[in-house]
Amino acid sequence: DTGVSQNPRHKITKRGQNVTFRCDPISEHNRLYWYRQTLGQGPEFLTYFQNEAQLEKSRLLSDRFSAERPKGSFSTLEIQRTEQGDSAMYLCASSSIRGGYTFGSGTRLTVV
Amino acid sequence: DQQVKQNSPSLSVQEGRISILNCDYTNSMFDYFLWYKKYPAEGPTFLISISSIKDKNEDGRFTVFLNKSAKHLSLHIVPSQPGDSAVYFCAAANSGGSNYKLTFGKGTLLTVNP
Repeated sequence: DTGVSQNPRHKITKRGQNVTFRCDPISEHNRLYWYRQTLGQGPEFLTYFQNEAQLEKSRLLSDRFSAERPKGSFSTLEIQRTEQGDSAMYLCASSSIRGGYTFGSGTRLTVV
Repeated sequence: DQQVKQNSPSLSVQEGRISILNCDYTNSMFDYFLWYKKYPAEGPTFLISISSIKDKNEDGRFTVFLNKSAKHLSLHIVPSQPGDSAVYFCAAANSGGSNYKLTFGKGTLLTVNP
């Protein structure tokens, strides 16, 4: 097990384009989280899955954002019509029911 | 409204001395606290945690102290090493909640000088 894997590591996109990120959690973890970190801030919670069910979404997750976790394994986070304010590090984490949060290395998004 | 606050953006210490990083929280529902270390372009790495039923937890060079009445916790690193230089985030959770999401502070940049 190589931990939580996120792809791509870096993404540069033009404003208005759509982007999709992927997260592969630790295989035995049934909980999966997305966080966003901007410069000078700590990670902020975006959304949470337990198995394939998306159980909570932050108000930070506008209608341009959508996350899925088909079959309760990997997850994708899509941002439509990107804006410069979407530039951030997008972090995925997974945990078991008993805790033990593990973060991936993140996807750095730059919107130009 | 920041529920977890790290009021020192940066801290510089000499190698071998003690590093003390502080964190305050406002939400009384938080009962589980964690410290993460983060290098640039990497995800946060878990360091140490503490449940609200304890006031101290120790793991090697790292000790976390919790003062529930003051809603304050601190991370002590002794002795500090140059490899400890990183951003340290304090995080809090309500373990009785259904989703176990973490609320983070803004972080403290620790620099350990040789």
